Amino acid sequence: ELKVEQNPLFLSMQEGKNYTIYCNYSTTSDRLYWYRQDPGKSLESLFVLLSNGAVKQEGRLMASLDTKARLSTLHITAAVHDLSATYFCAVDTETSGSRLTFGEGTQLTVNP
Amino acid sequence: DTEVTQTPKHLVMGMTNKKSLKCEQHMGHRAMYWYKQKAKKPPELMFVYSYEKLSINESVPSRFSPECPNSSLLNLHLHALQPEDSALYLCASSQGHSGNTIYFGEGSWLTVV
Repeated sequence: ELKVEQNPLFLSMQEGKNYTIYCNYSTTSDRLYWYRQDPGKSLESLFVLLSNGAVKQEGRLMASLDTKARLSTLHITAAVHDLSATYFCAVDTETSGSRLTFGEGTQLTVNP
Repeated sequence: DTEVTQTPKHLVMGMTNKKSLKCEQHMGHRAMYWYKQKAKKPPELMFVYSYEKLSINESVPSRFSPECPNSSLLNLHLHALQPEDSALYLCASSQGHSGNTIYFGEGSWLTVV
């Protein structure tokens, strides 16, 4: 059974600080997704990582994938309050369509 | 346009009712999905349609019945639900093969009373 583990599950940080969210998974896959979810809202796609060593950046967020270690990271640089949300990683194990298995999510709170 | 539209946004139904959730996308995507999300939990895959054919059913109880009338539409028919089925139901779509961005709709909040 595929397991996707995120840590930390809860993260409270101050504006301007840096931090990293980790996503470990238990099966071979080279397709890893990061999503953001605001309370009461749907999922917003942040990154799709498709190969070992893939790195993508958007604003203050940068995601990377190490398929050999079965690890993805989401790095937050100089956090701002607007980044407060729950962040999910998800691993894809299907080829026709997608079968996403999500991690438990990291609830991020950025304090002024 | 990267929009997946779901209706209704909120639904309250009794355990003997029959209702349907609807999902529509006009991005030309050939894969469509239903996910269920309980409060404070991650989404869980229920069904995948690929090129209008059901390709994945994650052992979902038969009181949930998916239907894909055409490549733009996806329905989820609900019958004889239980209170524990109350959740946010998310529809999503993507290009047919894996590795493409999966776009989620705003979801339908379902309460079973």
